[in-house]
Amino acid sequence: AQSVAQPEDQVNVAEGNPLTVKCTYSVSGNPYLFWYVQYPNRGLQFLLKYITGDNLVKGSYGFEAEFNKSQTSFHLKKPSALVSDSALYFCAVRDLNTGGFKTIFGAGTRLFVKA
Amino acid sequence: EPEVTQTPSHQVTQMGQEVILRCVPISNHLYFYWYRQILGQKVEFLVSFYNNEISEKSEIFDDQFSVERPDGSNFTLKIRSTKLEDSAMYFCASSERVQYFGPGTRLTVT
Repeated sequence: AQSVAQPEDQVNVAEGNPLTVKCTYSVSGNPYLFWYVQYPNRGLQFLLKYITGDNLVKGSYGFEAEFNKSQTSFHLKKPSALVSDSALYFCAVRDLNTGGFKTIFGAGTRLFVKA
Repeated sequence: EPEVTQTPSHQVTQMGQEVILRCVPISNHLYFYWYRQILGQKVEFLVSFYNNEISEKSEIFDDQFSVERPDGSNFTLKIRSTKLEDSAMYFCASSERVQYFGPGTRLTVT
């Protein structure tokens, strides 16, 4: 069965510092991985995805994520955090091999960027 | 930029009543989805819809739930007899490869 773990409920970082939001996943086949961001009272906004190819994927707003197959991780990163990055971040996975449509979301990590 | 839209933004209903949540997916997308997010909890998959039929559904999506694409643009989620525990944010999504989400409908069952 597919699952996603975001081990940190909250991440605090100072503006200008690098940030990392952690995600590990479990699928039986090949993963299709996503990061979404949710601002208060808003829907989920797509940030980036990984299917195949380069393990480092770049997305919106300067975010990037690194796929690590051996560690089954897909951590979200940004070299220099902004206060406006403060939001709730969700990692998500689909199992490409099952051909299913269901996307499983992690519990979310709340990012606080302090000025 | 095309986006998924949802109406209403907030729906208040009494327990036992039927509600219909509406979504307009991105026009060239063929796959449609409903998810829900109970306050403070994770986003949960409900159902996916393709080629005018349900392609996959979760254990949450029981007989009280149904989906429909009544015309070429709308995609609806119906809850026949709402329960208190149906109170949540309901998100519609559509996709080619990446799922794009609407802003959500907050359903409050009293």
